[in-house]
Amino acid sequence: GNSVTQMEGPVTLSEEAFLTINCTYTATGYPSLFWYVQYPGEGLQLLLKATKADDKGSNKGFEATYRKETTSFHLEKGSVQVSDSAVYFCALSFQGGSEKLVFGKGMKLTVNP
Amino acid sequence: GAVVSQHPSRVICKSGTSVKIECRSLDFQATTMFWYRQFPKQSLMLMATSNEGSKATYEQGVEKDKFLINHASLTLSTLTVTSAHPEDSSFYICSARAPGLGPYEQYFGPGTRLTVT
Repeated sequence: GNSVTQMEGPVTLSEEAFLTINCTYTATGYPSLFWYVQYPGEGLQLLLKATKADDKGSNKGFEATYRKETTSFHLEKGSVQVSDSAVYFCALSFQGGSEKLVFGKGMKLTVNP
Repeated sequence: GAVVSQHPSRVICKSGTSVKIECRSLDFQATTMFWYRQFPKQSLMLMATSNEGSKATYEQGVEKDKFLINHASLTLSTLTVTSAHPEDSSFYICSARAPGLGPYEQYFGPGTRLTVT
């Protein structure tokens, strides 16, 4: 079946540190890949997405590249801020049909000033 | 942007009672709504997909008679947990989408924490 595995936290970083959150997937076919972020007290928000191999999604300084050969979609940011403290979820979906999302377990990030 | 609300945010109920959770799209019409369940340190698990005016489609292993879903209007879907038991305690999250918002856009509510005593 389809599944997403992401590194577990929680992770605590200092402001301006480099961030990498690993995400790998197992899927039949070629899914679209997503990173969602959940800030405290809010619903999940789409952070970025990539719909085909070698696509790079980017938003708010975050980037992730769809790597078919390694079935990965690692999230990176060069310099985190306190406001990036949140829970990050990697997910996949297949275009068309019900477009159900399959999520990883989520990783809580805390950035200290 | 598109906003989805859930009510209540937290609810505590006694074993054997039923609880209703509301999910509303505040500024758009949601033709499809999804209900998820999240256990501590686990991923969100899709429970069911509901389209306005039709019966919900439940994922394998989800009891449709226990988790009643109603999507009676384009802005409201409800999840009723019937005869709740402590093992139903969890975090329930809804999301909504509409064709005009793009094929990958799901907007999520903030979730409802259910505790069954």
